[in-house]
Amino acid sequence: AQKITQTQPGMFVQEKEAVTLDCTYDTSDPSYGLFWYKQPSSGEMIFLIYQGSYDQQNATEGRYSLNFQKARKSANLVISASQLGDSAMYFCAMRDSGGSNYKLTFGKGTLLTVNP
Amino acid sequence: DTEVTQTPKHLVMGMTNKKSLKCEQHMGHRAMYWYKQKAKKPPELMFVYSYEKLSINESVPSRFSPECPNSSLLNLHLHALQPEDSALYLCASSQVRGGPTYEQYFGPGTRLTVT
Repeated sequence: AQKITQTQPGMFVQEKEAVTLDCTYDTSDPSYGLFWYKQPSSGEMIFLIYQGSYDQQNATEGRYSLNFQKARKSANLVISASQLGDSAMYFCAMRDSGGSNYKLTFGKGTLLTVNP
Repeated sequence: DTEVTQTPKHLVMGMTNKKSLKCEQHMGHRAMYWYKQKAKKPPELMFVYSYEKLSINESVPSRFSPECPNSSLLNLHLHALQPEDSALYLCASSQVRGGPTYEQYFGPGTRLTVT
C-alpha cells in the first residue's frame, strides 16, 4: 500500500531564506513518481515539481528543488529565497505502478508561512 | 497552456436543489478527475474518466453524478446534497500513458456550500 508522510503541519520562514519541507514515502513498487503541489488560500492546486524513481539527478524547477534520497525514501522540497507569495499549503504526492495508474496518494500537507 | 478552468467559482445550494459543476481543459489530455477537498485536508479522489469513459468511482454516493460529454469537458451533477458535502471540488486532467510518471493539472476549484 502507498503511504505519504508529511511530519510538519506548519513551517515558518523569513523572506529570502531557504526552507525545506519534509516528505517520506512508502512503496514496494520500484517504479513510482513523486510530486509536489502548492495550494494557496485561493484553492487552486499548482503543480511544482516531479521526481521519478529512476531519475539519477534531483529535480529542479526555478527556486524549487527536490532532495531525493531513495534509500531513505524521502523526497523533501527545498524552496530557495522564499517570497511572501510562497505562503501556502504544500502537498507531497506519489503514484506508483501498482493498482491504478491514475491514483495519486497525497500527504496531509504542510502549511508554510513566509514572514516579511 | 496548462490551464484547467472550472465554473462556477462559488456555489450555494439547498438540499433539494439540482446544480452542476463544469470543468474544461484544452491540453489534449484524455484523463479527467474530480476531487473533493475539505478544509485543511488533502484532496480525495472521487471519479476518473479515461477516454471519456468512467474508469474509477471511489464509492461516491449517487447524489453525485459525473458526466464526460467529450474529451475537453467534465461535469459533476449534484442532487439532494447534504450539508457535509460542503467542500472545495477540484477538477484535474492528465495525459494517459503507462507508468506513474505524469503530472495532473488542477483547476481553481468550486467552493460548494450546501444549506
